Amino acid sequence: AQSVTQPDIHITVSEGASLELRCNYSYGATPYLFWYVQSPGQGLQLLLKYFSGDTLVQGIKGFEAEFKRSQSSFNLRKPSVHWSDAAEYFCAVGAQDNAGNMLTFGGGTRLMVKP
Amino acid sequence: KAGVTQTPRYLIKTRGQQVTLSCSPISGHRSVSWYQQTPGQGLQFLFEYFSETQRNKGNFPGRFSGRQFSNSRSEMNVSTLELGDSALYLCASSPRTGFGYTFGSGTRLTVV
Repeated sequence: AQSVTQPDIHITVSEGASLELRCNYSYGATPYLFWYVQSPGQGLQLLLKYFSGDTLVQGIKGFEAEFKRSQSSFNLRKPSVHWSDAAEYFCAVGAQDNAGNMLTFGGGTRLMVKP
Repeated sequence: KAGVTQTPRYLIKTRGQQVTLSCSPISGHRSVSWYQQTPGQGLQFLFEYFSETQRNKGNFPGRFSGRQFSNSRSEMNVSTLELGDSALYLCASSPRTGFGYTFGSGTRLTVV
């Protein structure tokens, strides 16, 4: 069974500082990997996704993530955080087979940005 | 291009009642998935429909059911509501397996 761990429940960074959110996954084959962001009371917005190929993936809003198979990780990074980035971030893994579109999410990391 | 539309946005129901939530996917998207989000359990997969067929089901009791229509619109139904069913229910659509999922804003269900 697939699983996702986001070790940090809360992270606080200063505006303009760099950010790295950790994500570790467990899956028997090459996974589909996603990062989503959720603002309070809203749905999930896709930041970026990894299917195959280049292990460094660029996303929207200046985010990027690196797939490291040896570490089973897919950490999200941003070089300079803006106050509007304060939200909850979810890492998710999906199966690369025809079994359907089932995502397994991590518990989320709530990002707070200090002025 | 319109996004994923979920109706209603908010709902208050009484224990024992049943409820139906609706999801209209992005035009051309044939896969619709449903997720439940609660503070305690996080985001959990309910089920996925593709071309009117349920392809996957999560670990939820039979009180949770869904269907998909020929126009890809989907509904989920929860019967005999319990207090623990209070949650944000999110719908996501995708054109095909693994392509990426666009989520709606969700329906906030409160059971009293």
